[in-house]
Amino acid sequence: GDSVTQMEGPVTLSEEAFLTINCTYTATGYPSLFWYVQYPGEGLQLLLKATKADDKGSNKGFEATYRKETTSFHLEKGSVQVSDSAVYFCALNSGYSTLTFGKGTMLLVSP
Amino acid sequence: GAGVSQTPSNKVTEKGKYVELRCDPISGHTALYWYRQSLGQGPEFLIYFQGTGAADDSGLPNDRFFAVRPEGSVSTLKIQRTERGDSAVYLCASSLIGGVRTDTQYFGPGTRLTVL
Repeated sequence: GDSVTQMEGPVTLSEEAFLTINCTYTATGYPSLFWYVQYPGEGLQLLLKATKADDKGSNKGFEATYRKETTSFHLEKGSVQVSDSAVYFCALNSGYSTLTFGKGTMLLVSP
Repeated sequence: GAGVSQTPSNKVTEKGKYVELRCDPISGHTALYWYRQSLGQGPEFLIYFQGTGAADDSGLPNDRFFAVRPEGSVSTLKIQRTERGDSAVYLCASSLIGGVRTDTQYFGPGTRLTVL
């Protein structure tokens, strides 16, 4: 079946540091890949997505590249802000309509 | 238009009681999904509707859980004889088409269910 593995958190960074959150997956088909973000007290929001190999999704300074050869979709940002503190979820959709999520990675950014 | 809305935002009930959770999807979205998120975990799929019909209910944990979408818009998740293990945040999402891997699902704020 499908599965998503994310690095465990919390990830603790100082403002303006570089961020990487690792995500790898196994899928039965050719999935689309997503990053969702959950800010404190809020619901899940789509951050970015990629639907085919070598596609790069980007939004709000975050980016992730769909790497089929390594089955990975790592999230990166060059300079994090305190307001980026949240829980980040990697997810895939193999075409059966349901999303399969990782466990989430908490990011804490200090001033 | 407005995003996905869910009511109530919080529900506290006693073991053995019946509860209903409501989801109002984005207008025009044909697909609707229910997920359950336990503390420290990612959301887990429960059921997917395409229009009025349940296209996939393989994630429902047992027959105490049931969901309907009678007019192809609002959906209600129903839980009978609640157990403490049902305590979680129940998330609803909707998408424009459904059934394709590229479709983006938009989530509501969730209903936090606590079973005492």
